[in-house]
Amino acid sequence: NAGVTQTPKFRVLKTGQSMTLLCAQDMNHEYMYWYRQDPGMGLRLIHYSVGEGTTAKGEVPDGYNVSRLKKQNFLLGLESAAPSQTSVYFCASSYTLGGGSYNEQFFGPGTRLTVL
Amino acid sequence: GDSVTQMEGPVTLSEEAFLTINCTYTATGYPSLFWYVQYPGEGLQLLLKATKADDKGSNKGFEATYRKETTSFHLEKGSVQVSDSAVYFCALTPDSSASKIIFGSGTRLSIRP
Repeated sequence: NAGVTQTPKFRVLKTGQSMTLLCAQDMNHEYMYWYRQDPGMGLRLIHYSVGEGTTAKGEVPDGYNVSRLKKQNFLLGLESAAPSQTSVYFCASSYTLGGGSYNEQFFGPGTRLTVL
Repeated sequence: GDSVTQMEGPVTLSEEAFLTINCTYTATGYPSLFWYVQYPGEGLQLLLKATKADDKGSNKGFEATYRKETTSFHLEKGSVQVSDSAVYFCALTPDSSASKIIFGSGTRLSIRP
């Protein structure tokens, strides 16, 4: 049981290049999330998905796209990378969304992306 | 809107010292409250949680009590160890929108042997 895995672990891009980050979970979770972590700002939600084939915007969605073609995978795409997208990206998944109840999220180890 | 404010770090303590990391929140209704921990080079892990007022979450010697009257969820540990060195995040799930977690900015804790 690997939990949540992310590939790649590190990546350096030039401005304008594109790339896709892959997140995979083996816990049969319905809900998946992409966050970015910047110094002094905690985690900010980029996009999330409440099930296979569905996605929704989070707090900072501009410049990113996502897809959830399979329940276990959640892809984050950068079509034209910018230096402002230099960050550490975390994927997470959770079992319940349930209103009024807690929502424990399980996190991957992160991808460190640098855009030059 | 909903938000979480936690004390800024870094916090540096000696081993076996008492730890408090303050966290206050702003939210309507009855949010669920969490503390997550991030060890170096890793993702976040849930440390403890509380889902209603006066609940106490506890794990690995850490405790936090959900105080609705002061809108606080302070993290405490009686005797810290070097292995507790990490970044700690206070967070909440609004009861009106459980599709997201709102995180504080994190507090870096370093423990000296």
